[in-house]
Amino acid sequence: ETGVTQTPRHLVMGMTNKKSLKCEQHLGHNAMYWYKQSAKKPLELMFVYNFKEQTENNSVPSRFSPECPNSSHLFLHLHTLQPEDSALYLCASSQDQGQASYEQYFGPGTRLTVT
Amino acid sequence: EDKVVQSPLSLVVHEGDTVTLNCSYEVTNFRSLLWYKQEKKAPTFLFMLTSSGIEKKSGRLSSILDKKELFSILNITATQTGDSAVYLCAGSSGNTPLVFGKGTRLSVIA
Repeated sequence: ETGVTQTPRHLVMGMTNKKSLKCEQHLGHNAMYWYKQSAKKPLELMFVYNFKEQTENNSVPSRFSPECPNSSHLFLHLHTLQPEDSALYLCASSQDQGQASYEQYFGPGTRLTVT
Repeated sequence: EDKVVQSPLSLVVHEGDTVTLNCSYEVTNFRSLLWYKQEKKAPTFLFMLTSSGIEKKSGRLSSILDKKELFSILNITATQTGDSAVYLCAGSSGNTPLVFGKGTRLSVIA
């Protein structure tokens, strides 16, 4: 069991639905990340929050909307998704984005299927 | 643009074999290289390398970094079926999030 939890673990949604993915870290970290992992592609960074402030948006479509109410929680709000958005969505946290060398701890991921 | 390239993309070996996984990187203001093992869902951390030529070991796994050639290898000796996984390499500049390679899918057959 890692210190990063994600819910739900599996999600099937239609293209007109609105849903949210939740991530919570119990490690006292200050930076949190959303990654997308599609088949046969490298992990793609989506968003970065450092001390609750969004520091990076990696050209992600607006149908993905992140929210970070505090350093322990991170959400990814989904609306009007496309079938190509089906993937494993991984949340990660690290001590501080600004450290010289850091280690990211990953959650178990949410397997999203868009029908 | 920063990038990390891993080879081979996939590998099938028999139990007891020794394998070497490769990772080359181009990361601006490089600080460290990390190896992860991903079995079903979340990657789990293996090693973080910051200095050239210093081998890190954990059981049957070891890794080393060459900052001159921008290269790292991950060795697994006496492989077991439980070593079957995707092994991910990632580069870090410290101020930006990790840049991941595509991974090497290792299959160890009995």
